[in-house]
Amino acid sequence: GIQVEQSPPDLILQEGANSTLRCNFSDSVNNLQWFHQNPWGQLINLFYIPSGTKQNGRLSATTVATERYSLLYISSSQTTDSGVYFCAVEPGNQFYFGTGTSLTVIP
Amino acid sequence: KAGVTQTPRYLIKTRGQQVTLSCSPISGHRSVSWYQQTPGQGLQFLFEYFSETQRNKGNFPGRFSGRQFSNSRSEMNVSTLELGDSALYLCASSLAPGGGTEAFFGQGTRLTVV
Repeated sequence: GIQVEQSPPDLILQEGANSTLRCNFSDSVNNLQWFHQNPWGQLINLFYIPSGTKQNGRLSATTVATERYSLLYISSSQTTDSGVYFCAVEPGNQFYFGTGTSLTVIP
Repeated sequence: KAGVTQTPRYLIKTRGQQVTLSCSPISGHRSVSWYQQTPGQGLQFLFEYFSETQRNKGNFPGRFSGRQFSNSRSEMNVSTLELGDSALYLCASSLAPGGGTEAFFGQGTRLTVV
C-alpha cells in the first residue's frame, strides 16, 4: 500500500504563531484530505485537496501531486487549534492515513 | 443536512461476545467505509461498501464483517471479541467510491473489550 509520512510528529506553539505541517506520500492518488481529530475522536474535514491550493480562514493547504506532497498552513494559531492533524490519501480503493501531527497551542 | 451518524457512541463488551455497529451515511451518499483506530496501529481500513456490495476489504481476520442495506446504511459486526479489538471505529461516507469525491467521517464508536 501507499506510504504516508507526516511531519513533524509533535509541535508546540505559542498562541499567535504560524505553522506548516507536511504530508509526503509514495504514489499517485485520486484524493487527498486533511482532517483535524477532535477530543472525542471525530475526524473533522479541513480540506479536500488532491491538487492545487485552497484557503479557509486561517488555514490553507497546498498539494503538489506531481511531487507527492501536501502542506497544511495554520496562521495566527489559537488554543482551539490544538489536536491531531491527519493527512489521508486515497489511490482509488481506500484511505491511507499518516500517523498524524499532534499540535499543542499554548496561551 | 445531517452528517454521518454512528451508533452507539460507546460500547463495553466482554471477550468472546459479538458486537454490531451501525453507520448512516449522509443523505445521497452511497459509499460507506469503515476504519479502526488504535494507539498502536493508527487508522486502518476495514472495508468499503457501495450499492450493497463489498468493494474492498482490509487486512483483518474473518471475525470482522459488514454489510450495506438498500438505503446505504451500513453495519459492521465483530464476532468472538478479543481484548485487542478495543478501538475507535470510524465510518466514512462519500457520494461514490474511487476517491473522486470528498469523504466525511462520523463521530465514531468507541469499543472497549474487557
